Amino acid sequence: KDQVFQPSTVASSEGAVVEIFCNHSVSNAYNFFWYLHFPGCAPRLLVKGSKPSQQGRYNMTYERFSSSLLILQVREADAAVYYCACPNQAGTALIFGKGTTLSVSS
Amino acid sequence: KAGVTQTPRYLIKTRGQQVTLSCSPISGHRSVSWYQQTPGQGLQFLFEYFSETQRNKGNFPGRFSGRQFSNSRSEMNVSTLELGDSALYLCASSLAPGGERAGEQYFGPGTRLTVT
Repeated sequence: KDQVFQPSTVASSEGAVVEIFCNHSVSNAYNFFWYLHFPGCAPRLLVKGSKPSQQGRYNMTYERFSSSLLILQVREADAAVYYCACPNQAGTALIFGKGTTLSVSS
Repeated sequence: KAGVTQTPRYLIKTRGQQVTLSCSPISGHRSVSWYQQTPGQGLQFLFEYFSETQRNKGNFPGRFSGRQFSNSRSEMNVSTLELGDSALYLCASSLAPGGERAGEQYFGPGTRLTVT
């Protein structure tokens, strides 16, 4: 069964680098997608790809079946739900993990 | 360019009723996907429409249906509502359907449905 796994919660302190890990069980999926979701707002694509990449404070690491989202200099305003996703085996839709709730303490 | 819009933003229904949610994609986008978000389950794929045709369907009962109009606007219908249907329903639009291009999806803010 196509599945994406990620921790349900991650806690961090302001100014730190926080890592959210993700892995999947889709045999022929090569891309990861990381979304940010603030309650009441539209989920937003942060970074994606099949190789390590960076978009501002967001870094994405890449291994064949796993990826990590690294948030640099994390702030209290970064507290939100982060989703990891990859294409399903048929390549016809995205499969999302259950989301990781990030909490940031000052 | 206007983003994806969803109406209504909030909805309260009682068990057994039916509900219709609407999604207007970004101008020029012809693919619309629907997701259900519930606590602890994340985003679960409902279905995708492209050029007025359902391309893909997730693992949801037949009470969940949808359609897409010629202007790419999409509606989702849930009949015989159950308490467990309470969720945030998100739609996302993209230029092309599914696959690797599926990542270039733009989400709307969602419709919060509460079933009592």
